[in-house]
Amino acid sequence: SSELTQPPSVSVSPGQTGTIACSGDILAGEKLEDKHGCWYQQKPGQSPVLIMYQDTKRPSGIPARFFGSKSGSTATLTIRGAQAMDEADYYCQAWDRTTASYVFGPGTKVTVL
Amino acid sequence: QVQLQESGPGLVRPSETLSLTCSVSGGSISSYYWSWIRQSPGKGLEWVAYMYYSGRPNYSPSLKNRVTISVDTSKNQFYLNLTSVTTADTAVYFCARDPGGTRRFDFWGQGTLVTVSS
Repeated sequence: SSELTQPPSVSVSPGQTGTIACSGDILAGEKLEDKHGCWYQQKPGQSPVLIMYQDTKRPSGIPARFFGSKSGSTATLTIRGAQAMDEADYYCQAWDRTTASYVFGPGTKVTVL
Repeated sequence: QVQLQESGPGLVRPSETLSLTCSVSGGSISSYYWSWIRQSPGKGLEWVAYMYYSGRPNYSPSLKNRVTISVDTSKNQFYLNLTSVTTADTAVYFCARDPGGTRRFDFWGQGTLVTVSS
């Protein structure tokens, strides 16, 4: 299956740690370059912003409180010391080599309260 | 800094063809992969199509019979055509760049809302 699964919502208290898991067979692909996951943050009315790529790498300008990891077929985004500005929808995304397609997870709404 | 800007009609009639343009500025369209991604109101992101600037396009399995992507390097633009639209095609359409086929999108346009309605 080329689907990715995410929890629909995650709630985290300010200053605390929240995690979002993204699971799917395509995250455990045969080729290393096809196994990676990435994450986007999307706030209401805005375009998605890449906040993590190749499982663990943060693009320039993304705060260090965002941390990525992967084990087997599950990628995880961790927000350490969550802030109110981190309230957003978060999408994982991976590559399906069998169909040469980009695949997005269904998204997770993160609430900081 | 690369910028992407979508343009096209905001309203399309059912059964007609949706046509969008993505204009790329601040960098060349060459040597990158370009995609269209859409988001239905209140829903998640759905990848639609991609094309390397000089290569063969590839399409979402669920849309491949209706969608075409193309690139014009002379204009630094790429395009989306989606035929036989229905209300289910109502969405914000984003264009985005994949740097060097790295399977991620590092730059996105602001998105354009296309409504399918009679």
